[in-house]
Amino acid sequence: RKEVEQDPGPFNVPEGATVAFNCTYSNSASQSFFWYRQDCRKEPKLLMSVYSSGNEDGRFTAQLNRASQYISLLIRDSKLSDSATYLCVVYSGAGSYQLTFGKGTKLSVIP
Amino acid sequence: SQTIHQWPATLVQPVGSPLSLECTVEGTSNPNLYWYRQAAGRGLQLLFYSVGIGQISSEVPQNLSASRPQDRQFILSSKKLLLSDSGFYLCAWSSKGQGTNEKLFFGSGTQLSVL
Repeated sequence: RKEVEQDPGPFNVPEGATVAFNCTYSNSASQSFFWYRQDCRKEPKLLMSVYSSGNEDGRFTAQLNRASQYISLLIRDSKLSDSATYLCVVYSGAGSYQLTFGKGTKLSVIP
Repeated sequence: SQTIHQWPATLVQPVGSPLSLECTVEGTSNPNLYWYRQAAGRGLQLLFYSVGIGQISSEVPQNLSASRPQDRQFILSSKKLLLSDSGFYLCAWSSKGQGTNEKLFFGSGTQLSVL
């Protein structure tokens, strides 16, 4: 089983739609979780952390399910500018500085 | 505010040639520094990280090396490039401390093509 697994997509959705991505991780001892956004040929940028109780930032909602070892990202009212690849990132926190990145899910929001 | 500079943005090099990519961070001191590589269709792979001047940890054995001659400078090098070294190279930094050392801020990346 891959350490961090994501559906590569692409997810093609119309403007205004709601879209959700899931990500599964294999290390049950993982401590921190994040979503990064990466535009084509650009650097990844931190979108939001994912907290155990779930958290929201505007149109974006992140949730964590430790029992099933997955995290999710929900985007409401999709905008054209949301088109990007969304990377799921897991931190083991075991004295290592290594984050494990998923390969990303590509989202295309269509006019 | 903190900024990270990475250059060059693109690089085309012949097989067997040397490589030097440089990254500098401004607006912070004693950061953790990282070099990642992103190959086409693959996730980010950590190559090196550094917690301080002269302290380099390698995550993947390869023909690349890294150095940190100053607190906010991180250099990725190779004596002889291979075709398999092609990819998108990203420098990143993070603060130290619980809750912060896992939040990375990336430079704009270098697209390296080895021909």
